[in-house]
Amino acid sequence: GQNIDQPTEMTATEGAIVQINCTYQTSGFNGLFWYQQHAGEAPTFLSYNVLDGLEEKGRFSSFLSRSKGYSYLLLKELQMKDSASYLCAVMDSNYQLIWGAGTKLIIKP
Amino acid sequence: GAVVSQHPSRVICKSGTSVKIECRSLDFQATTMFWYRQFPKQSLMLMATSNEGSKATYEQGVEKDKFLINHASLTLSTLTVTSAHPEDSSFYICSATPLEAGQSFSYEQYFGPGTRLTVT
Repeated sequence: GQNIDQPTEMTATEGAIVQINCTYQTSGFNGLFWYQQHAGEAPTFLSYNVLDGLEEKGRFSSFLSRSKGYSYLLLKELQMKDSASYLCAVMDSNYQLIWGAGTKLIIKP
Repeated sequence: GAVVSQHPSRVICKSGTSVKIECRSLDFQATTMFWYRQFPKQSLMLMATSNEGSKATYEQGVEKDKFLINHASLTLSTLTVTSAHPEDSSFYICSATPLEAGQSFSYEQYFGPGTRLTVT
């Protein structure tokens, strides 16, 4: 079956760095997405990786290793507004998105 | 950027009634729209893929006669929850992908703000 694993919850301190990991097993691979979702709101797109390596976008970076079925989202200089759930999703061979359960990130002052 | 709207944002209805949720792509045409359901503290669950001018494709376990989807135009898809029950209370989210003619994939997926349905 298809499976996306990510930690349920993480806590970090304002101004620090946090890494949210995601491992996947899917039928085919057409890219991995990271979304941010604040409570009660729809997800917003953060990043898309289809090739191995690190993609940097401001304070957020996303890494992919296809051979390991592994990705991480790196958040630097954490701000209180970064408190949210972070969803990892993989697009399979049928171009369908398979969603992880999300990682709730709690930022403490 | 591309904008997707949903209406209503919140709805409370009585058990046994039907509720219609609209999803509109405001500044682009979407041949494909997706309907998701999200229960508290759970991930998004794809319910169905809505294709303009044809029948929706439902995911396994989703009752097509209960969740009616109509994709009447390139900018509008509707989800009707028929004979709603308290267990249908959830957060319903649509998304749309701006696809060019002949294109099978675009990683751009834009989400609507969601509709919170509460069935009493």
